[in-house]
Amino acid sequence: DIVMTQGVLPNPVPSGESASITCRSSKSLVYKDGKTYLNWFLQRPGQSPQLLTYWMSTRASGVSDRFSGSGSGTYFTLKISRVRAEDAGVYYCQQVREYPLTFGSGTKLEIK
Amino acid sequence: QVQLQQSGAELVKPGSSVKISCKASGYTFTSYDMHWIKQQPGNGLEWIGWIYPGNGNTKYNQKFNGKATLTADKSSSTAYMQLSSLTSEDSAVYFCARGNNYLFDYWGQGVMVTVSS
Repeated sequence: DIVMTQGVLPNPVPSGESASITCRSSKSLVYKDGKTYLNWFLQRPGQSPQLLTYWMSTRASGVSDRFSGSGSGTYFTLKISRVRAEDAGVYYCQQVREYPLTFGSGTKLEIK
Repeated sequence: QVQLQQSGAELVKPGSSVKISCKASGYTFTSYDMHWIKQQPGNGLEWIGWIYPGNGNTKYNQKFNGKATLTADKSSSTAYMQLSSLTSEDSAVYFCARGNNYLFDYWGQGVMVTVSS
């Protein structure tokens, strides 16, 4: 199985500052079509996860442009610019390159 | 608008089975995969498998073979997951999520299953 390893944030992050969340995969997530099959989700307290980005860097519909995904085949970053209170929660990366689909263990973001 | 409405919380006994549902609306049910995801208290997310309601095809995480069975009823636009031989390790919140080319773009609200005698 592909193992997804997420980093830890130096919480809390002051409102208005930037935050970068990292994720590393045990195998390249680049498929033969050239796309990188890495998704990011935010799960706010008491809610279901929400899709933020897919194919590593494409924002999902309705997601603020303060969220941007980047990376290589095995190392990925989700950057949140000008963090707000509503950005608080747990962020998960997910690989959909091969079965079984796997998630990272989550990175908690707290806002000050 | 797309909605996935899941059934209510379940309290079940060890060794029994439970069947939870996910009713879809706002889109063509038979044209998208439905994925199921497990979240144990305080833990992360674990993918269980998917079903394609259009033809009933399924794909499971090998870890859940024999534990989870996915079905779908086209007439009611409802997906189901049955969990069998329940133990305390099965106590968790279970989500359904629409798979749009492996983008989990809409999620149900989750069902808490508690296994306790």
